[in-house]
Amino acid sequence: GAVVSQHPSRVICKSGTSVKIECRSLDFQATTMFWYRQFPKQSLMLMATSNEGSKATYEQGVEKDKFLINHASLTLSTLTVTSAHPEDSSFYICSGQGFTEAFFGQGTRLTVV
Amino acid sequence: DAKTTQPPSMDCAEGRAANLPCNHSTISGNEYVYWYRQIHSQGPQYIIHGLKNNETNEMASLIITEDRKSSTLILPHATLRDTAVYYCIVRPEGTGANSKLTFGKGITLSVRP
Repeated sequence: GAVVSQHPSRVICKSGTSVKIECRSLDFQATTMFWYRQFPKQSLMLMATSNEGSKATYEQGVEKDKFLINHASLTLSTLTVTSAHPEDSSFYICSGQGFTEAFFGQGTRLTVV
Repeated sequence: DAKTTQPPSMDCAEGRAANLPCNHSTISGNEYVYWYRQIHSQGPQYIIHGLKNNETNEMASLIITEDRKSSTLILPHATLRDTAVYYCIVRPEGTGANSKLTFGKGITLSVRP
């Protein structure tokens, strides 16, 4: 299947700083990418839909000014967690939509201390 | 909200078939049944999908009832590496924002030696 590469896999940052997570589709072009968040022992929750060349669409309750999404090309989407706080500590996962199925990145474990 | 219901957990013996059920009684005519799995601390992995006919690939078989209100994912010879959370999801095939996946709680499959 197609490959989605997500970096970094793990990051620890201080409270108040910003963290950028990259999601790349390596062998296909993804007009649409999705960003999910997963807290321990819970399921994946969709945060936003990232559209190449346009603004992202955020799910209800997700702060667009805190979770900045940029989708500048058909193979790269980035999620920046701004002014991170301990409650933002979570597992962040991106996915790129292929023609019939979605392909997921490896996930990024964010720990804010 | 997820449009599917799955038992919370099940187990099976290594080498035996694992049959994972899913109910999707409100599925629409243009919605496919998708199965993904998530091994601990990794991104979800696509397994299989289908519309109304039974499907088989190198990983699993998907059996969809004639009324399409339920389905069963079959792992013919479960191994310890198949221990994971399995998600049954319904959505239209194709790309774009409508292709977003809504994850329920999934079913935790434990394969015992």
